[in-house]
Amino acid sequence: AQSVAQPEDQVNVAEGNPLTVKCTYSVSGNPYLFWYVQYPNRGLQFLLKYITGDNLVKGSYGFEAEFNKSQTSFHLKKPSALVSDSALYFCAVRGENSGNTPLVFGKGTRLSVIA
Amino acid sequence: GAVVSQHPSWVICKSGTSVKIECRSLDFQATTMFWYRQFPKQSLMLMATSNEGSKATYEQGVEKDKFLINHASLTLSTLTVTSAHPEDSSFYICSARGAGGGDEKLFFGSGTQLSVL
Repeated sequence: AQSVAQPEDQVNVAEGNPLTVKCTYSVSGNPYLFWYVQYPNRGLQFLLKYITGDNLVKGSYGFEAEFNKSQTSFHLKKPSALVSDSALYFCAVRGENSGNTPLVFGKGTRLSVIA
Repeated sequence: GAVVSQHPSWVICKSGTSVKIECRSLDFQATTMFWYRQFPKQSLMLMATSNEGSKATYEQGVEKDKFLINHASLTLSTLTVTSAHPEDSSFYICSARGAGGGDEKLFFGSGTQLSVL
């Protein structure tokens, strides 16, 4: 069975500081990993994905995520947070061999960037 | 980017009534739509997958007679919560994907908060 854990309900960071939003996963086989962001009153938007290749993936709005196979993690990072980054972030996973099955999402982590 | 419109954004209804939620793809043809449900501080839970012109595929534990899904056109899917009860109160989100689209081409509606009194 596939699962995703986002251990933090809320992450607070000061503007200009680096941010990390944590995600760990469990799948059979190699994972396909995704991050989505939800701004207030908007639908989820795709940020970035890891399928294969370089463990460090760069995405939209300056975000990046690092795939760590030994720790089964895919933490989202940004070197310098902006107030406008405040939103709800979802990590999602699908197994390489799961065919066209839908993504499994984490519960979301609310990021608050304080000016 | 592609837009998915979900309506209404929130609804309050009496127990025993039915509520319909609409999900529209505004600038692309959505061959597949997904309906999710989210309880506070919990994961998005997939309820069902619908392909245009065919019956929806429901996830285990989701009552198909209670949560009616219709995907009659390539731009519209509806979820009807029939005979709603307070335990159906939740946040419902739809997503849509066009033909040949991968997970990065999965576009989400803004969600509907349903409160059943």
